Amino acid sequence: GQNIDQPTEMTATEGAIVQINCTYQTSGFNGLFWYQQHAGEAPTFLSYNVLDGLEEKGRFSSFLSRSKGYSYLLLKELQMKDSASYLCAVMDSNYQLIWGAGTKLIIKP
Amino acid sequence: GAVVSQHPSWVICKSGTSVKIECRSLDFQATTMFWYRQFPKQSLMLMATSNEGSKATYEQGVEKDKFLINHASLTLSTLTVTSAHPEDSSFYICSAQGAESQPQHFGDGTRLSIL
Repeated sequence: GQNIDQPTEMTATEGAIVQINCTYQTSGFNGLFWYQQHAGEAPTFLSYNVLDGLEEKGRFSSFLSRSKGYSYLLLKELQMKDSASYLCAVMDSNYQLIWGAGTKLIIKP
Repeated sequence: GAVVSQHPSWVICKSGTSVKIECRSLDFQATTMFWYRQFPKQSLMLMATSNEGSKATYEQGVEKDKFLINHASLTLSTLTVTSAHPEDSSFYICSAQGAESQPQHFGDGTRLSIL
């Protein structure tokens, strides 16, 4: 079956760095997406990785290793507004998006 | 770019009412639109996938006669919840995709409360 694993919840301190991991097992691979979802709101697109390596976009970076079925989202200089759920999603060989359950990130002052 | 508008954002209505939710891609053409449902503190659940001009593909367990989806143009899809009941109360979110390998861009969601 297809499976995406990410931690349920993480806590970090304002100004610090946090890494949210995602491992996946899917039938084929056409890219991995990270989304941010604030409570009560719809998800917003953060990043897309299809090749191995690190993609940097401001305070957020996303890494992919296809051979390991592994990705992480790195958030630097954490701000209180970064408190949200972070969703990992993989596009399989049929271009279907398989969603992880999300990681709730709690930022403390 | 990649703006998706969803309307209405909030609906409260009586049991037995039918409710229509619109999803529009404002600045791109969406070959595929998706409808999700999300209960509090739970994951997104895909309900159906629709391609412009063809019938929607529903996920297992989703009643196609209850959740009617129309995707008449490359910028508009609608979801109609027919004869809604309290158990249909949820957060419904649409997303639109320009091409197969492109990310999905989400509307703001519709919070549906059936009394």
